[in-house]
Amino acid sequence: DTGVSQDPRHKITKRGQNVTFRCDPISEHNRLYWYRQTLGQGPEFLTYFQNEAQLEKSRLLSDRFSAERPKGSFSTLEIQRTEQGDSAMYLCASSPEGPSYNSPLHFGNGTRLTVT
Amino acid sequence: AQKVTQAQTEISVVEKEDVTLDCVYETRDTTYYLFWYKQPPSGELVFLIRRNSFDEQNEISGRYSWNFQKSTSSFNFTITASQVVDSAVYFCALKGGGADGLTFGKGTHLIIQP
Repeated sequence: DTGVSQDPRHKITKRGQNVTFRCDPISEHNRLYWYRQTLGQGPEFLTYFQNEAQLEKSRLLSDRFSAERPKGSFSTLEIQRTEQGDSAMYLCASSPEGPSYNSPLHFGNGTRLTVT
Repeated sequence: AQKVTQAQTEISVVEKEDVTLDCVYETRDTTYYLFWYKQPPSGELVFLIRRNSFDEQNEISGRYSWNFQKSTSSFNFTITASQVVDSAVYFCALKGGGADGLTFGKGTHLIIQP
């Protein structure tokens, strides 16, 4: 169990640029989640995959955000035309198969995005 | 809509004191799940405990204990004999029966002074 891995750890970009983050879940975890956390706030749910299927999306996920999990393993989160309000920590989490309520989420260390 | 309120933004105590972190939740679901996570300075959220709405039995794990009271919609977390390593931000979270995403509170920053 190597834990959830996220890359990069930090990303600084200029407003209007596109950015992509990667998440590698714990192997054999079929559920993968993306959350966003701003300073002084709790994580906010963005989206959820079960294997390669994106099953749930938050209203927070504007059309500039897109997430994929093409082979049911790693996932990418892309933000197009970044805005300063996108500056946040983006957290990825995974959990094993089974009733989703019964499986605690294992979080990665996050990718901190700063939009200048 | 679901909501989790952690009214204590920051708590500072001296080592070895007991401390209780409050969590109040709102949900219309009859089946739901409550969680506590710890976020140390390194940033990684660490799962501490899960409770379902049908199990009001309190739980103790070492120096940690949790008090779930459905009547007051509260799920409080107590650390006894606090230690400096307990310093972190603690989040209470709620998961409704139909949703897969967790709703987190804003967190309580716990500072344990030596």
